[in-house]
Amino acid sequence: TQLLEQSPQFLSIQEGENLTVYCNSSSVFSSLQWYRQEPGEGPVLLVTVVTGGEVKKLKRLTFQFGDARKDSSLHITAAQPGDTGLYLCAGRGYGQNFVFGPGTRLSVLP
Amino acid sequence: KAGVTQTPRYLIKTRGQQVTLSCSPISGHRSVSWYQQTPGQGLQFLFEYFSETQRNKGNFPGRFSGRQFSNSRSEMNVSTLELGDSALYLCASSPPGRGQGALLNTEAFFGQGTRLTVV
Repeated sequence: TQLLEQSPQFLSIQEGENLTVYCNSSSVFSSLQWYRQEPGEGPVLLVTVVTGGEVKKLKRLTFQFGDARKDSSLHITAAQPGDTGLYLCAGRGYGQNFVFGPGTRLSVLP
Repeated sequence: KAGVTQTPRYLIKTRGQQVTLSCSPISGHRSVSWYQQTPGQGLQFLFEYFSETQRNKGNFPGRFSGRQFSNSRSEMNVSTLELGDSALYLCASSPPGRGQGALLNTEAFFGQGTRLTVV
């Protein structure tokens, strides 16, 4: 069974600070996604990474896929209150269903 | 392009009843998957359908079932509802995979979910 772990579980920071969220597994994934979810809504896809070592940037967000395709990180620069939400990583092995991490709940205080 | 549409958004049912939830995927997406989300368990995979066939199934009791129609729309059904079935039920659709075909769907696009409360 493929499992994804995320750390930290909770993070509360001040506006303007930087932060990094981690997603780890002992399994290899064909691709890995990051989502952000707000209360009562469905997760919204932020990025997909498919190549080991890949780095993608989305404005102030930087995503990295580990060389072995078992882990990923999300770095936010100069966090803003609008970044508040539940960040989920999800992976999919070849021919298998999506597996989601438990999420990191981020709160950015003004 | 319209997103994934789930109906209804909110539902209150009594223990022992059954419920049917509906999901319309993004146009052109043939893969639909269902998830249960609760504060304690996070996002748990229920099942996935592709071209009207169940491709994968999660570790849920037989009270949870689903189906997919020829137009890719999907429904899930929960019979004999229990209090513990209260959750946000999410549907996601996936585009055709790249590279090695449909089995490598790389992204899931979610609907807003159906909030089910069992009393």
